[in-house]
Amino acid sequence: AQSVTQPDIHITVSEGASLELRCNYSYGATPYLFWYVQSPGQGLQLLLKYFSGDTLVQGIKGFEAEFKRSQSSFNLRKPSVHWSDAAEYFCAVGTGSTGNQFYFGTGTSLTVIP
Amino acid sequence: NAGVTQTPKFRVLKTGQSMTLLCAQDMNHEYMYWYRQDPGMGLRLIHYSVGEGTTAKGEVPDGYNVSRLKKQNFLLGLESAAPSQTSVYFCASSYETGGANQPQHFGDGTRLSIL
Repeated sequence: AQSVTQPDIHITVSEGASLELRCNYSYGATPYLFWYVQSPGQGLQLLLKYFSGDTLVQGIKGFEAEFKRSQSSFNLRKPSVHWSDAAEYFCAVGTGSTGNQFYFGTGTSLTVIP
Repeated sequence: NAGVTQTPKFRVLKTGQSMTLLCAQDMNHEYMYWYRQDPGMGLRLIHYSVGEGTTAKGEVPDGYNVSRLKKQNFLLGLESAAPSQTSVYFCASSYETGGANQPQHFGDGTRLSIL
């Protein structure tokens, strides 16, 4: 069965510091991987996606993620965090088995301190 | 360009009452989804649709029904609301072409409380 694990429920970083959010997945075939961000009271917004090719993908707002097949991971990174990055971050796996279903992690809440 | 629009944004129900949540998308997407979001549990798929006139069960379908009479609309119904259905409900849509590498586009959510 497919699953997505985000081991960090909550992370606090200082503004200007680097950030890495972890995501591990379990899926038998080639995964389609996504990172979404959710600001308070809002829906989810796509940050970036990976489905083939270069394992380092660039997204919006200065985020990037690296796919590591050997570790079944798709970690999200940002070199320098801004206060506006405070939000909930979700990793997701897309499968084409039936109706293009998506499986989401439980999310990581990011707090940015001045 | 509205994208995915959910109505209502907030609602309070009493146990046993019924209601329908409406999702509308203007992107001509084939696939539509209903999720619920609960603290510490991420998003869980309730029902989804791969096209007009079709629906299918997701991970947590019990207590909910859906209909997709028009391509642009996906309705989620609660026939007899229960406190366990207190949650934030999100609708999403995506293209068919390209398969599951197509990201989902989300509405802003409906916050539903069942007393």
